[in-house]
Amino acid sequence: EADIYQTPRYLVIGTGKKITLECSQTMGHDKMYWYQQDPGMELHLIHYSYGVNSTEKGDLSSESTVSRIRTEHFPLTLESARPSHTSQYLCASGGTGKSNQPQHFGDGTRLSIL
Amino acid sequence: AQSVTQLGSHVSVSEGALVLLRCNYSSSVPPYLFWYVQYPNQGLQLLLKYTSAATLVKGINGFEAEFKKSETSFHLTKPSAHMSDAAEYFCAVSSYTGNQFYFGTGTSLTVIP
Repeated sequence: EADIYQTPRYLVIGTGKKITLECSQTMGHDKMYWYQQDPGMELHLIHYSYGVNSTEKGDLSSESTVSRIRTEHFPLTLESARPSHTSQYLCASGGTGKSNQPQHFGDGTRLSIL
Repeated sequence: AQSVTQLGSHVSVSEGALVLLRCNYSSSVPPYLFWYVQYPNQGLQLLLKYTSAATLVKGINGFEAEFKKSETSFHLTKPSAHMSDAAEYFCAVSSYTGNQFYFGTGTSLTVIP
């Protein structure tokens, strides 16, 4: 059963719209991550957080922003969606402090921008 | 810098045959290594992890992987493939603190009846 939840699962929306992808986890993890995944490609880290009020950009340049006001919540926002943003977005969480724990993934949001 | 390389983006095996998915890592320090499975329209699910204990790691669904430092490899195996094993498999390496994970490009496994 999933302890990390992403909504919506699927979203088809027009260009220029503001979009927020939600991610929540109930495991009390400090570390949370957003990945972008395209077919046949590796996961690209776009944002991560090590705790409340901590956010960093990942390896892949992204026009999105994130916030971490609560431990359990890590939403990703696109201010003005473009067709190039069409992709699958995966949220993950894992561990606290300096512990090494595997990442737990949500089921993803498949985003299509028309 | 850490990275993983998965050889073979697509692997096909017959039902009941051995499954072998290859992963080589690059790490300047002892790594933590993971295998994940992804079924269609789902996120990644942890199969197994290596964290410097036993070199042969057993995971869920009958999968196992062996850490070979001399070969910098962490190949995933299963003695007998089942139709339900058809999925995408990702190898990943993390830093000692687990702050960042690096994923391979994935291997798509097809099981032929």
